[in-house]
Amino acid sequence: SQKIEQNSEALNIQEGKTATLTCNYTNYSPAYLQWYRQDPGRGPVFLLLIRENEKEKRKERLKVTFDTTLKQSLFHITASQPADSATYLCALVLYSSASKIIFGSGTRLSIRP
Amino acid sequence: ETGVTQSPTHLIKTRGQQVTLRCSSQSGHNTVSWYQQALGQGPQFIFQYYREEENGRGNFPPRFSGLQFPNYSSELNVNALELDDSALYLCASTSERTDTQYFGPGTRLTVL
Repeated sequence: SQKIEQNSEALNIQEGKTATLTCNYTNYSPAYLQWYRQDPGRGPVFLLLIRENEKEKRKERLKVTFDTTLKQSLFHITASQPADSATYLCALVLYSSASKIIFGSGTRLSIRP
Repeated sequence: ETGVTQSPTHLIKTRGQQVTLRCSSQSGHNTVSWYQQALGQGPQFIFQYYREEENGRGNFPPRFSGLQFPNYSSELNVNALELDDSALYLCASTSERTDTQYFGPGTRLTVL
C-alpha cells in the first residue's frame, strides 16, 4: 500500500542544536517533495521544495535532502531556536497526478531554551 | 501573510445540514486546491480547480463539491454533513511560476 510517514509525533531539541526530521514514503513516484511549517490554528506555510533529480537544497538555516533510492527526505534546522517550535509537514507531488499532493501527518518540534 | 483568505473562520453546523466555505486566492494564481485536516493529521487533498474546471480529486464522496470563479475566488460545498466532517478546511492557491502552494488560514468546521 502507499504510505508517507514522518519519523515521530514529537521531537524535543535543546536550543542551538540541529533538529533532523524524517519523511519516508513507499509505493509512490514523486516528482518532487515539499516541506511546510504549520503553527496551531494556522494554515501550512511553504518552506522548501526539492525535485527528484536534486540531492540537497538549502535556505538559511534549513537544509533538505532527497534520496529516491531510500525513498526518504531529511529536513534539518541548524542552530535551532524556540521560535522554530511548530509542526513540520512533508508533502509529495506525484508524477502520476501533478494536481494531487500527499501530506504526511507531521512532526511536532519543540525547541527548549 | 500568504494573500489567501478564507471565510468564515469558524462554523458550527448540525448533522445533515449543508455548508459553503469560501476562499479568495492570490491574484494571478489560476489553481486552487482544497484540503481537509483532522486534528493531529496532515491535510488530505479533496480536489483542485484550474481555470474554473476540476483538475483532480482525492478520495472524497460526491457530497463534497466545489466551484472556482474568474475573480480568483472559490467555494467548497459539503452536503448532508456528517460528524466526521468536523475538521479544519484549507484552501491553497498555486504559483505556476514556482509550483509553490500558498495556504489560507483555514475554516474550522464543527458538526454536532
